[in-house]
Amino acid sequence: EPEVTQTPSHQVTQMGQEVILRCVPISNHLYFYWYRQILGQKVEFLVSFYNNEISEKSEIFDDQFSVERPDGSNFTLKIRSTKLEDSAMYFCASSVGGGGGEKLFFGSGTQLSVL
Amino acid sequence: QKEVEQDPGPLSVPEGAIVSLNCTYSNSAFQYFMWYRQYSRKGPELLMYTYSSGNKEDGRFTAQVDKSSKYISLFIRDSQPSDSATYLCVPDTDQAGTALIFGKGTTLSVSS
Repeated sequence: EPEVTQTPSHQVTQMGQEVILRCVPISNHLYFYWYRQILGQKVEFLVSFYNNEISEKSEIFDDQFSVERPDGSNFTLKIRSTKLEDSAMYFCASSVGGGGGEKLFFGSGTQLSVL
Repeated sequence: QKEVEQDPGPLSVPEGAIVSLNCTYSNSAFQYFMWYRQYSRKGPELLMYTYSSGNKEDGRFTAQVDKSSKYISLFIRDSQPSDSATYLCVPDTDQAGTALIFGKGTTLSVSS
């Protein structure tokens, strides 16, 4: 069964460093998403991406964040200068379409720890 | 007022019990009703998907939607320890371009 894969599974970084989280969405999916979950809290939407551009973003997704689809398979989330409060589990998701009621398929996540 | 209300639990039941998880919502525009399951330290996975009112059954799971009362339920029959997870009620409109928003869900623990 096709799945969304994320690498690395764990990332430890120093405050102020740049990190890139990588995702390979399901191959025939056209819409890509990043969500994050701080320990003990709900899954929060960060950004959605379609046709090589951001289609929606939340208040969390400020100038420190960027997304990119550098090739035909990868989808990345970059955090330019990490803060302690960026420590969270980051989930990539993809869907076939972007209409209402779309089924999102999530990866297993990257646990980011900022020290 | 929150758009979706769900009792966070935790809900603890013995193996074999029937579990009822419930959710209320306020937005009349919701047409799609999904239940996602999230195991600890894993990504959410789609468990049940319903369009409009009615029941849908899949194995031990039954999803029920009552749009007139804006009430959504998920029933789990013969619950198993492997059902221990957080269950997220996620309704959606038919409007394109809006991201799915997740609440905190209900945490279920099934003891053997």
